[in-house]
Amino acid sequence: GAGVSQSPSNKVTEKGKDVELRCDPISGHTALYWYRQSLGQGLEFLIYFQGNSAPDKSGLPSDRFSAERTGGSVSTLTIQRTQQEDSAVYLCASSWKGNEQFFGPGTRLTVL
Amino acid sequence: GQNIDQPTEMTATEGAIVQINCTYQTSGFNGLFWYQQHAGEAPTFLSYNVLDGLEEKGRFSSFLSRSKGYSYLLLKELQMKDSASYLCAVRHDYKLSFGAGTTVTVRA
Repeated sequence: GAGVSQSPSNKVTEKGKDVELRCDPISGHTALYWYRQSLGQGLEFLIYFQGNSAPDKSGLPSDRFSAERTGGSVSTLTIQRTQQEDSAVYLCASSWKGNEQFFGPGTRLTVL
Repeated sequence: GQNIDQPTEMTATEGAIVQINCTYQTSGFNGLFWYQQHAGEAPTFLSYNVLDGLEEKGRFSSFLSRSKGYSYLLLKELQMKDSASYLCAVRHDYKLSFGAGTTVTVRA
């Protein structure tokens, strides 16, 4: 595609529910990243994919967070049993061999 | 660990110059990125420094000193549309570690 796309753009959910966030990277980009940005904060690294493998999951905040990537393309970030502190903008980025990262527009998650 | 510091806010007048400093102490270094982020939008790439020195790109320039763990982003001939957050990010292997960002407000 022309750029990184993410869906949904906004998600409001109730505490305790599960949510799935989707990322479509730029076609041909081998690397995919998930970040979280809380209000007034910098980007917090969550997880990195090279192809379908996730060599670095060190940024995932807890075992309620998981992510997968299929076909070397689309990735899904799943948050189980959401908590209010999970409210943030979740950004996805892709790059070719670790060069410049191109960011998607993000998903704004609000947990009530 | 990663420690990346930049000022929280800066204000400047339209047409002026502003310099945003970034200092870093990181466990590894493969380059430094600057990104621009307008409110409610995704970060967009501005510059990438791997070697020491100044990289100029139109009204924006970025400088790097690896021995000092220091970089700056220079914005010249400021325009109202330059009001945004500017993020400094250090690359180590594939991973980027971001500073909290500097909010620049351009006033008429």
